[in-house]
Amino acid sequence: GAVVSQHPSRVICKSGTSVKIECRSLDFQATTMFWYRQFPKQSLMLMATSNEGSKATYEQGVEKDKFLINHASLTLSTLTVTSAHPEDSSFYICSARSRAGGVTGELFFGEGSRLTVL
Amino acid sequence: AQSVTQPDIHITVSEGASLELRCNYSYGATPYLFWYVQSPGQGLQLLLKYFSGDTLVQGIKGFEAEFKRSQSSFNLRKPSVHWSDAAEYFCAVGGNNNDMRFGAGTRLTVKP
Repeated sequence: GAVVSQHPSRVICKSGTSVKIECRSLDFQATTMFWYRQFPKQSLMLMATSNEGSKATYEQGVEKDKFLINHASLTLSTLTVTSAHPEDSSFYICSARSRAGGVTGELFFGEGSRLTVL
Repeated sequence: AQSVTQPDIHITVSEGASLELRCNYSYGATPYLFWYVQSPGQGLQLLLKYFSGDTLVQGIKGFEAEFKRSQSSFNLRKPSVHWSDAAEYFCAVGGNNNDMRFGAGTRLTVKP
């Protein structure tokens, strides 16, 4: 199947700093990527939908200035957690849908990025 | 708005026993339904999906699920569980709006 790569897989940062997480579709073009946040032993909560070349659509309650999403190309979306605080510590997962698959195409998930803010 | 309920937070079964994980959904139209599996610290892997047609869907690793519109359910089943099946399982519903909603997940423990 198609591969989605996230980097870094783990990151530890100090409170107040910004952290960027990359999500790449390695062998397909993804017009749409999704960013999720997962708290321990909980489900994935959709944070935002990222469409290539346009602004991301954020879910209610997600601060767009806090979680900056950029989808500059068909294979790369980035999530930047700005001025991170300990409560931002979480497991962040991205997924990508193949351009060829349309709206019913399979979502391919990255392996996740664990952020720890000290 | 679409939503998914997985009533069982944690299930323990013996290796070799059968398994059924429950999933109920709420959606205004014909839903697209999915089951994913997640191992600790990993991303999600698609087990199977239902879009239309035959309501009994076969997936990978010997899993199957049955779509029952009258019950708004999409339960996941496996006739004989293996120790390697221990993981977190998520049911999800999506539609034509390009996003997906996940259930809270069911953690499966397999006893030797």
